[in-house]
Amino acid sequence: AQSVTQPDIHITVSEGASLELRCNYSYGATPYLFWYVQSPGQGLQLLLKYFSGDTLVQGIKGFEAEFKRSQSSFNLRKPSVHWSDAAEYFCAVANQAGTALIFGKGTTLSVSS
Amino acid sequence: EAGVTQSPTHLIKTRGQQATLRCSPISGHTSVYWYQQALGLGLQFLLWYDEGEERNRGNFPPRFSGRQFPNYSSELNVNALELEDSALYLCASSPKGLAGAGEQYFGPGTRLTVT
Repeated sequence: AQSVTQPDIHITVSEGASLELRCNYSYGATPYLFWYVQSPGQGLQLLLKYFSGDTLVQGIKGFEAEFKRSQSSFNLRKPSVHWSDAAEYFCAVANQAGTALIFGKGTTLSVSS
Repeated sequence: EAGVTQSPTHLIKTRGQQATLRCSPISGHTSVYWYQQALGLGLQFLLWYDEGEERNRGNFPPRFSGRQFPNYSSELNVNALELEDSALYLCASSPKGLAGAGEQYFGPGTRLTVT
């Protein structure tokens, strides 16, 4: 069965520092992968997606992610974090039937000044 | 372009009652998904509706049900409420032809509290 693991429950990064959020997936074929962000009291906003092709994917708000098949990973990165990036981040994979998204448990990002 | 809307924002019910949550998808989207975000359990897929039909169901009991109307809006009904049903219920929509595996656009959610 497909699954998504986000090993870090909570990460604190200084403003202006770089960020990497880890995501590992379990999937037999080529996965459809997503990163979403959820600010307090709000729904999820799609940051970026990977379907095929170039393994480095650019998203909104300066985020990027790299698909590494050999490591079953899809880590999210940002070169310089802003205080407004503090939120919860979810990695997701479409299930094999393509009928639902399977989410990781999320990583809470705190930004210190 | 208006996003996915959900109502009500908050809903408080007592155990054993029924709750009805509503969702309006983005104009032109035909698929609606429901997810439950409960504390400690993360986001779990509940139901998928497309073109008025239930297409897929997550690992939830039958007291979780819903429907999709001709205008593609959707209702989620939770019968015989239990305390553990307290959660944020998120609705998402996606365009025709991109169901499930495609991008899903989420609403702000309905916070259901069962006392």
